[in-house]
Amino acid sequence: DAKTTQPPSMDCAEGRAANLPCNHSTISGNEYVYWYRQIHSQGPQYIIHGLKNNETNEMASLIITEDRKSSTLILPHATLRDTAVYYCIVRVAPDDKIIFGKGTRLHILP
Amino acid sequence: GAVVSQHPSWVICKSGTSVKIECRSLDFQATTMFWYRQFPKQSLMLMATSNEGSKATYEQGVEKDKFLINHASLTLSTLTVTSAHPEDSSFYICSAQTGATNTGELFFGEGSRLTVL
Repeated sequence: DAKTTQPPSMDCAEGRAANLPCNHSTISGNEYVYWYRQIHSQGPQYIIHGLKNNETNEMASLIITEDRKSSTLILPHATLRDTAVYYCIVRVAPDDKIIFGKGTRLHILP
Repeated sequence: GAVVSQHPSWVICKSGTSVKIECRSLDFQATTMFWYRQFPKQSLMLMATSNEGSKATYEQGVEKDKFLINHASLTLSTLTVTSAHPEDSSFYICSAQTGATNTGELFFGEGSRLTVL
């Protein structure tokens, strides 16, 4: 079973920052937080992952709380192309399997 | 970045026939590949873990005799849906682990949509 809880859907205005929350209260010390997104009828796309520290790449930022029980994915300037289902996943990296939860369906509003 | 390719991207077959889906890692060697199934408006469900040169490990409730997985090389895994029935119609997605890096990224194929008539 997935070890994460996410809101089923969120709206964000185009050009604004999209902040997607994720709860993973049972995460273990050696489990990473991964984020993927899936645009309709395509395979999931890797976004970012982290263990303890906040991470940033060209796509997004990942903020992990100090107790690691929750995290937030930030898309700094959302565009219509960011409309997708976003999955937050915990994984014993790098070899463990990835179990998907239900994700958050992000709607970007023009 | 690493690329995972699936073939065919879509297939239509008659009930009772078998269908093979290929998953290839194009620019890296993948010791482990995963197969997922996704029904409309649902999340991805892990079916099995495929390790090169050994038998696949199936998730609970997935019939190993119906969904045959072969991982004969470091760049190719195949999923064969045997004696397909309409309830097997689904979106099948594979993923591959880049063993050469320490980033822990898992790359996904574009998916293969199976329709069984």
